[in-house]
Amino acid sequence: GAVVSQHPSWVICKSGTSVKIECRSLDFQATTMFWYRQFPKQSLMLMATSNEGSKATYEQGVEKDKFLINHASLTLSTLTVTSAHPEDSSFYICSASTGGTGANVLTFGAGSRLTVL
Amino acid sequence: AQSVSQHNHHVILSEAASLELGCNYSYGGTVNLFWYVQYPGQHLQLLLKYFSGDPLVKGIKGFEAEFIKSKFSFNLRKPSVQWSDTAEYFCAVNFNTGKLIFGQGTTLQVKP
Repeated sequence: GAVVSQHPSWVICKSGTSVKIECRSLDFQATTMFWYRQFPKQSLMLMATSNEGSKATYEQGVEKDKFLINHASLTLSTLTVTSAHPEDSSFYICSASTGGTGANVLTFGAGSRLTVL
Repeated sequence: AQSVSQHNHHVILSEAASLELGCNYSYGGTVNLFWYVQYPGQHLQLLLKYFSGDPLVKGIKGFEAEFIKSKFSFNLRKPSVQWSDTAEYFCAVNFNTGKLIFGQGTTLQVKP
């Protein structure tokens, strides 16, 4: 079946540095990918919708300059947390649509845990 | 605003007990409905989904869910839970916007 790979699975960084998280669809092409953030014991909050070849669409309250999303190919989307601070520590999960655009057939990655010291 | 609400935040059951987890959503238009499960330390997996047709949907591992349009609900059920069902369960809705909105999640703990 469809597989989505995220890398790194966990990362620790110093405050003020930037961290890039990759999301790859391994055996299918994903026109659309979604980035979620999950706080401990809480639900997934949609951060942005990433469309290949175009700018990402951010949800209300998500800083686009803070969370840079690039979807340069049909198999790769990246999330860069710029100038990370401890409050950015979280679990970031990407998902890719296997049914073209839209969220009806989603495969999720295993997530990337970011800890900012 | 479009929202998804799960009423049960933490459920504790004994093995063989029946399970029902509530999920309600706002909005009265066309929706696609999903239940996902997240086992400890693992990524989200799709349990079942509803797009159209028979409102009673059967998924993996003996789970089923019923879509009741008049109640804006999509409750998850399982007649007899097992210890291995211990996990976090998320209801999610695509409000015909191409995005998936998740409920708050329900932690299910099954005692052996």
